[in-house]
Amino acid sequence: DAGVIQSPRHEVTEMGQEVTLRCKPISGHDYLFWYRQTMMRGLELLIYFNNNVPIDDSGMPEDRFSAKMPNASFSTLKIQPSEPRDSAVYFCASSNGRRGAGDTQYFGPGTRLTVL
Amino acid sequence: DAKTTQPTSMDCAEGRAANLPCNHSTISGNEYVYWYRQIHSQGPQYIIHGLKNNETNEMASLIITEDRKSSTLILPHATLRDTAVYYCIVRVNTNAGKSTFGDGTTLTVKP
Repeated sequence: DAGVIQSPRHEVTEMGQEVTLRCKPISGHDYLFWYRQTMMRGLELLIYFNNNVPIDDSGMPEDRFSAKMPNASFSTLKIQPSEPRDSAVYFCASSNGRRGAGDTQYFGPGTRLTVL
Repeated sequence: DAKTTQPTSMDCAEGRAANLPCNHSTISGNEYVYWYRQIHSQGPQYIIHGLKNNETNEMASLIITEDRKSSTLILPHATLRDTAVYYCIVRVNTNAGKSTFGDGTTLTVKP
C-alpha cells in the first residue's frame, strides 16, 4: 500500500491567493482527517470526515478554510484568500474505523505551505 | 479525552533502552492509551496502543500501571533514528482515531 498521499509537498504562494491541498487516503479507510502543525500551536485537528461526510469541523480556523471529500479516495483543503499566518505544515491522515480493538491513524508526509 | 502529561525532553544513549513516561491520572475506563512519534519533517507515526494489559510489538513495549493512571513506552534498544517527538494520547475508541496531540516528549538518542 502506498500509504496516505498528499500533494503538493511544498507550496509557496502570495497573500491573497487561493491554495488547494490534496489528499488520497489509504484504500478502504473510511475516516479522513486534516491537521495543521505550527511551532506555536503544535498539531491541531481541523476537520474530519466519515464516509465522505464532514463530521466535525470545529477546528477549522475561519471561513477562509474549506474542505471537501467528493469520493472515498480524494479530499481537498482549500484556503481562500490565504494569509501569512496560514503558513504551516498540513497533514492528512486516514483510518479504517474498526471498533473494539482500537483504531489508528496513518499520516501522510504533509504539505509545507508558505504564504508570503 | 483525558489530559496527558509528558516530560518536555529526554536523552538516551544509543543501544540503551529508552523509557518514556506519561501521566494520565484522569483516564476513564473506556479510554485507550496510544503512542505516536514524529520524526523531523515527517508525519506522525503510530507506535502502539493498549487498554489495560501491557503490550509489545516490533517497535516498542507499552507498560500500563494497574490503576491506569500512568504508562511507559519502552524502546528496548534505541538507535539514532529513534530521535523524534513522542506523543502519548488517551482517548475512547470512537471517531476512528480522532486524537488530540499535546506537546509530547522530544527524545534525543545520542551516540
